[in-house]
Amino acid sequence: GQQLNQSPQSMFIQEGEDVSMNCTSSSIFNTWLWYKQEPGEGPVLLIALYKAGELTSNGRLTAQFGITRKDSFLNISASIPSDVGIYFCAGDRYNNNDMRFGAGTRLTVKP
Amino acid sequence: KAGVTQTPRYLIKTRGQQVTLSCSPISGHRSVSWYQQTPGQGLQFLFEYFSETQRNKGNFPGRFSGRQFSNSRSEMNVSTLELGDSALYLCASSLEVGRPQHFGDGTRLSIL
Repeated sequence: GQQLNQSPQSMFIQEGEDVSMNCTSSSIFNTWLWYKQEPGEGPVLLIALYKAGELTSNGRLTAQFGITRKDSFLNISASIPSDVGIYFCAGDRYNNNDMRFGAGTRLTVKP
Repeated sequence: KAGVTQTPRYLIKTRGQQVTLSCSPISGHRSVSWYQQTPGQGLQFLFEYFSETQRNKGNFPGRFSGRQFSNSRSEMNVSTLELGDSALYLCASSLEVGRPQHFGDGTRLSIL
């Protein structure tokens, strides 16, 4: 199925650093979501975005719905060890719960 | 508030067998979607049910089927299992179509 292009694939950072990752597509999406998945668990919803240009924060996390509706960005400020995990972007083109996922960004935070 | 519950958590089957996985959505959620997660293909959409009706279907063979009951609980069935069906199967529920989906912890299916 149609997938989203998520980058980077992996990141190794020092505790306290800021993190940026993004997701792009050749198609327009109506909804963008960001999830975090830890080993042995399902993805956990972090942020949901519904309007082009929307900027939404959840604690140290900030995500934006690109104005072209073809991309989204997630930033994590002042990273901590518990931020470790795989972050997925997901898009819903037609608001019909048929979500497409990026391949994920694996984040490692060194104390 | 209880989250999405999937059972069983782990399952081992052999080729040719069939399997049924269960998903109980968050209370009040009427939409249930199923996804397959593998290292090679990532997260792929299987199908979505709303009010006992399949409304959307991904690009998977007919061996993959599902249903939803009147209490919104859903089951997924895979027949004639193949080695390539080994994966983490995730269920997600949402209040309604177009609202954010919340995932269960999945059923890890291994085919020997």
